[in-house]
Amino acid sequence: GAVVSQHPSWVICKSGTSVKIECRSLDFQATTMFWYRQFPKQSLMLMATSNEGSKATYEQGVEKDKFLINHASLTLSTLTVTSAHPEDSSFYICSAIASGRGTDTQYFGPGTRLTVL
Amino acid sequence: GNSVTQMEGPVTLSEEAFLTINCTYTATGYPSLFWYVQYPGEGLQLLLKATKADDKGSNKGFEATYRKETTSFHLEKGSVQVSDSAVYFCALSGKGSEKLVFGKGTKLTVNP
Repeated sequence: GAVVSQHPSWVICKSGTSVKIECRSLDFQATTMFWYRQFPKQSLMLMATSNEGSKATYEQGVEKDKFLINHASLTLSTLTVTSAHPEDSSFYICSAIASGRGTDTQYFGPGTRLTVL
Repeated sequence: GNSVTQMEGPVTLSEEAFLTINCTYTATGYPSLFWYVQYPGEGLQLLLKATKADDKGSNKGFEATYRKETTSFHLEKGSVQVSDSAVYFCALSGKGSEKLVFGKGTKLTVNP
């Protein structure tokens, strides 16, 4: 149990276009999901905390107008990279906390590799 | 702010060798400490955790002890297997916070 999926697993897009990445909790409900970014040989950096039914909370230095997060249901959060540029190329990872399990364990998705040409 | 420093890899060992991956942290108060493992093509999985000083987390033969005096949480395993090949991340969360701060990860390769 506690499986988190991401779609797509990899995407290549042209500079200036927008890309949407989905994060789904497959067998549990998640009121809280997190979005991370990982550069090669670097640690995961938290971008934002996504709460179902409310606005996401962004970490310092993360542009909320560029990285749009929507957590419309208890099993789905989306990250949209708007007007993508080559510097947005990265590995994006989501995680989710299972609601009502009395634990703060985060379950991670496999990640999405974004390449902006 | 909070930060985690873990030994850089890659680490290559033979099967049945002893493993240590060092992790030290900087944090205010008493954070919770975690080790996550990422197998090829999969998402990060919680390997073990400790929530207070002197606690020992253990799972699948791996152990780590929360050392407040040295601000460390080193990962150890007495006898590694090929199936342990993965990337290992040390992480912390501040008291009362769900946010995780990660180290850079250490890639472990175990050869038969």
